[in-house]
Amino acid sequence: DAKTTQPPSMDCAEGRAANLPCNHSTISGNEYVYWYRQIHSQGPQYIIHGLKNNETNEMASLIITEDRKSSTLILPHATLRDTAVYYCIVRVSGETSGSRLTFGEGTQLTVNP
Amino acid sequence: DTGVSQDPRHKITKRGQNVTFRCDPISEHNRLYWYRQTLGQGPEFLTYFQNEAQLEKSRLLSDRFSAERPKGSFSTLEIQRTEQGDSAMYLCASSLSFGEQYFGPGTRLTVT
Repeated sequence: DAKTTQPPSMDCAEGRAANLPCNHSTISGNEYVYWYRQIHSQGPQYIIHGLKNNETNEMASLIITEDRKSSTLILPHATLRDTAVYYCIVRVSGETSGSRLTFGEGTQLTVNP
Repeated sequence: DTGVSQDPRHKITKRGQNVTFRCDPISEHNRLYWYRQTLGQGPEFLTYFQNEAQLEKSRLLSDRFSAERPKGSFSTLEIQRTEQGDSAMYLCASSLSFGEQYFGPGTRLTVT
């Protein structure tokens, strides 16, 4: 799986959009970008994933650059409960996918009142 | 609550003792994963099952560690002769074959 690079920490004001960047310059054509988050003392939580098109669900939006070398997770209206470590993970998906998720150190997002 | 449960949530044991953790995945999920997480680090993969077959093991899974999923439903992770370095959060996740992994709340192990 390709390596990802994320800033170690970010701050965001409550109610504002949180934009979390991720670099994955060695991503392969069949690798997806996944985002998980981990609130303190809980297990990681799946947020969203995508291949090359932008994706949106009830939690967040994922913007992937045209060359697929970087992506941004957007939380449109951050709340205090969004304070967590956010992990960007690149992996193959589908029938021939590997099993494991390879977590880096992630980005600690702190949402401030 | 993702539907994945783990028991116990916390375990304190003395060095040299054996411990066993249980994970109950989401019922229709055929894949089950174990990860370990130490303070300040992201989770690290240990092993995974597809139904009852253990298909992959990490180098982190020393011979003191054993995992089972006897009927393709719940799984157990046993650590024999615990060491202080085994202190960590042990996370279980489950998925359908090609789907996202859903994590349980974890079992925090402290070895004294």
